[in-house]
Amino acid sequence: AQSVTQPDIHITVSEGASLELRCNYSYGATPYLFWYVQSPGQGLQLLLKYFSGDTLVQGIKGFEAEFKRSQSSFNLRKPSVHWSDAAEYFCAVGGYSGTGNQFYFGTGTSLTVIP
Amino acid sequence: DVKVTQSSRYLVKRTGEKVFLECVQDMDHENMFWYRQDPGLGLRLIYFSYDVKMKEKGDIPEGYSVSREKKERFSLILESASTNQTSMYLCASSLRDRREKLFFGSGTQLSVL
Repeated sequence: AQSVTQPDIHITVSEGASLELRCNYSYGATPYLFWYVQSPGQGLQLLLKYFSGDTLVQGIKGFEAEFKRSQSSFNLRKPSVHWSDAAEYFCAVGGYSGTGNQFYFGTGTSLTVIP
Repeated sequence: DVKVTQSSRYLVKRTGEKVFLECVQDMDHENMFWYRQDPGLGLRLIYFSYDVKMKEKGDIPEGYSVSREKKERFSLILESASTNQTSMYLCASSLRDRREKLFFGSGTQLSVL
């Protein structure tokens, strides 16, 4: 069965520090992986996605993620966090249900940035 | 700019009422989705539709139904609202290819009293 696990419910980092958010997935076929961000009171916005090729993908707002098939992971990173990065982050895998596309989301990681 | 519009940002209803949540997209997307978002549970799929008049149950369809009479509009219906349906509801749409990203609306915060 398809599933996504984000082991960290909440992370606090200092502004300017580096960030890594963890994501592990379970999917039988080639995974299509996504990271979304949700700012307070907003819908979700795509940060980046991975389909194939280079396992290190670059996204918006200075984020990057690395796909590691052997570890079934797709961790999100940022070298230097800004206060505006405080938000909820969701990892997702794109799948096919037999009748149509589905997206399976993790439970999210809430990021707090302290000055 | 592409848009997914949800009709209400906040909604307060009483137990037993029939509730309609409306979602409209202007991108000619085939797929549309309704998710429910609760703290600690992330996004859970209620229903999705991959074409007009087509619908598929997601992970938590109980107590909900949907309607898609036109390609651009996907409605979520709570036949008889209950307090455990108090939640944030997110609508999303995408092209048919599962490599394509989801576009989300801003959400409807529903409170059932």
